[in-house]
Amino acid sequence: QQKVQQSPESLIVPEGGMASLNCTSSDRNVDYFWWYRQHSGKSPKMLMSIFSNGEKEEGRFTVHLNKASLHTSLHIRDSQPSDSALYLCAATTSGGNYKPTFGKGTSLVVHP
Amino acid sequence: EAAVTQSPRNKVAVTGGKVTLSCNQTNNHNNMYWYRQDTGHGLRLIHYSYGAGSTEKGDIPDGYKASRPSQENFSLILELATPSQTSVYFCASGDLGGQNTLYFGAGTRLSVL
Repeated sequence: QQKVQQSPESLIVPEGGMASLNCTSSDRNVDYFWWYRQHSGKSPKMLMSIFSNGEKEEGRFTVHLNKASLHTSLHIRDSQPSDSALYLCAATTSGGNYKPTFGKGTSLVVHP
Repeated sequence: EAAVTQSPRNKVAVTGGKVTLSCNQTNNHNNMYWYRQDTGHGLRLIHYSYGAGSTEKGDIPDGYKASRPSQENFSLILELATPSQTSVYFCASGDLGGQNTLYFGAGTRLSVL
């Protein structure tokens, strides 16, 4: 059974600081990674996806992917209180069953 | 943005009773999913479907059944509800293929007493 491990479990950063979140899959067949963001009491919404080795930047958010180590990371610069949320990493394989598997999440708190 | 509607939003059930959670999507997505979310466990996949008439077991299917009577509708059925099934349940939809985003409903908070 595929496992997706996220670290840290929780993270506190000051407003304006940098938040770094990590995610690793134990399934060598994984091809695609996503980051979903879930504000308290709400449903998860896709934040960023990455399918190829390297880096992808969208505004204050940057994701990295190393397919050899099946590791992805999400970096949030100039963190804002509105970034406080649960960040969920998800992974899928390209063939066969399309079963997105989620990690347990990282709870991010940005304090003013 | 893709629309996924769940009902009811909140449900209190008695142990041993039958519970049906409903999900409707209007985006013509082929795939639909049921997850439950518990503190410390993240999102865990219960059942999923590739289209009308199909249902597949996810990672934690025991105690749950699913039904996909049409492209738009996907139900989760607890025939004999137990307190351990108290949780928040999310339905999601997405297109076929590993590169496609999931769109989630607002969730159903279920309490089994």
